Amino acid sequence: ILNVEQSPQSLHVQEGDSTNFTCSFPSSNFYALHWYRWETAKSPEALFVMTLNGDEKKKGRISATLNTKEGYSYLYIKGSQPEDSATYLCALPRSNDYKLSFGAGTTVTVRA
Amino acid sequence: DARVTQTPRDKVTEMGQEVTMRCQPILGHNTVFWYRQTMMQGLELLAYFRNRAPLDDSGMPKDRFSAEMPDATLATLKIQPSEPRDSAVYFCASGLGTSGNEQFFGPGTRLTVL
Repeated sequence: ILNVEQSPQSLHVQEGDSTNFTCSFPSSNFYALHWYRWETAKSPEALFVMTLNGDEKKKGRISATLNTKEGYSYLYIKGSQPEDSATYLCALPRSNDYKLSFGAGTTVTVRA
Repeated sequence: DARVTQTPRDKVTEMGQEVTMRCQPILGHNTVFWYRQTMMQGLELLAYFRNRAPLDDSGMPKDRFSAEMPDATLATLKIQPSEPRDSAVYFCASGLGTSGNEQFFGPGTRLTVL
């Protein structure tokens, strides 16, 4: 199992403010990094899959960056909205076999 | 809009009873996963299949759990006999089989064992 760490465990942000949080992972034998959004009482939904060092991906107000050499990825939410409230999971495969190790997640609560 | 479907969505049963959960992966996806969501472990991988063959079921208690793919459109997870500690939400996910492809999750089966 890969050691995937996410911080902080939870955060509260005021509506309209921007925020970011981190996923850390071993930098050796990197294959890919997945970000999922998991809303309460729903199922995880893929946001991004990143494979190259320096990758930056964007979907609406959410974006992510990847640094495979130092072993971290940042997820950014710009102008947070209540619908952004969710747990954001980071996951990496241990090898190229698609079996993911998930971090514990960062739970974001956006206050109106 | 292709989706992973799971049945039942909710299941309440008594300890000792057999439970079968079903999953229909997205058509064309060759990899299927079973996960369990628990308070302590978060999202825990139980088993996964590629092209219907089991690749890894090391996360599954072998004495009571079994997972199969009778055909490409159906994956099953069976617990016999069920125990209260099996109470959790069980998710099925499917994908295209490589680390660079996202996994698509079903809505989950919420299992309560009394």
